Amino acid sequence: EAQVTQNPRYLITVTGKKLTVTCSQNMNHEYMSWYRQDPGLGLRQIYYSMNVEVTDKGDVPEGYKVSRKEKRNFPLILESPSPNQTSLYFCASSPRAGLSYNEQFFGPGTRLTVL
Amino acid sequence: AQSVAQPEDQVNVAEGNPLTVKCTYSVSGNPYLFWYVQYPNRGLQFLLKYITGDNLVKGSYGFEAEFNKSQTSFHLKKPSALVSDSALYFCAVSSRDNTDKLIFGTGTRLQVFP
Repeated sequence: EAQVTQNPRYLITVTGKKLTVTCSQNMNHEYMSWYRQDPGLGLRQIYYSMNVEVTDKGDVPEGYKVSRKEKRNFPLILESPSPNQTSLYFCASSPRAGLSYNEQFFGPGTRLTVL
Repeated sequence: AQSVAQPEDQVNVAEGNPLTVKCTYSVSGNPYLFWYVQYPNRGLQFLLKYITGDNLVKGSYGFEAEFNKSQTSFHLKKPSALVSDSALYFCAVSSRDNTDKLIFGTGTRLQVFP
């Protein structure tokens, strides 16, 4: 089954404790992206990647890191989480060809709470 | 700069009645427009998109949307709402001039009452 998976689905942590949220897709997509969803703000892009070893900042990259060592994986790293990073996070992927007009495939989301 | 506005935080409709969820956009160049739906505790699912051609686009679950260039709108519609349509709906826009970006609206919660 074609899908985007994220782990963990739920995470409660404390300020400053490094964490990683994994994202994996099995559709051989070049493009992958991370979003955060906050009430009243919709989805905002954190980072995206056009292909292996190519990553770029989105609209809200502060406090986050990403890596793209393999095509299927795109982990989101919070080196020193803070309470304002409490949010619902989504990973998405898409073929790079026709990126602007192809739909994106979303993972199930990771609900992060930073105390 | 690209932007999307969903002017209603919530839309309430009785089951069996038609529904409309509004979306307006701003983009340089020709827009590519999308609707996604988010059911509780789930990721976003693609509903439909407008790229070019017929202004009326049909999508999943009986939904359709009408592209109106003069009003820069892309409203989502369904002739007869179901309780199971209750969810959070997001409009999004990209363009050929800005292929890296998909800009989302703030979302509209649709509540369909029995």
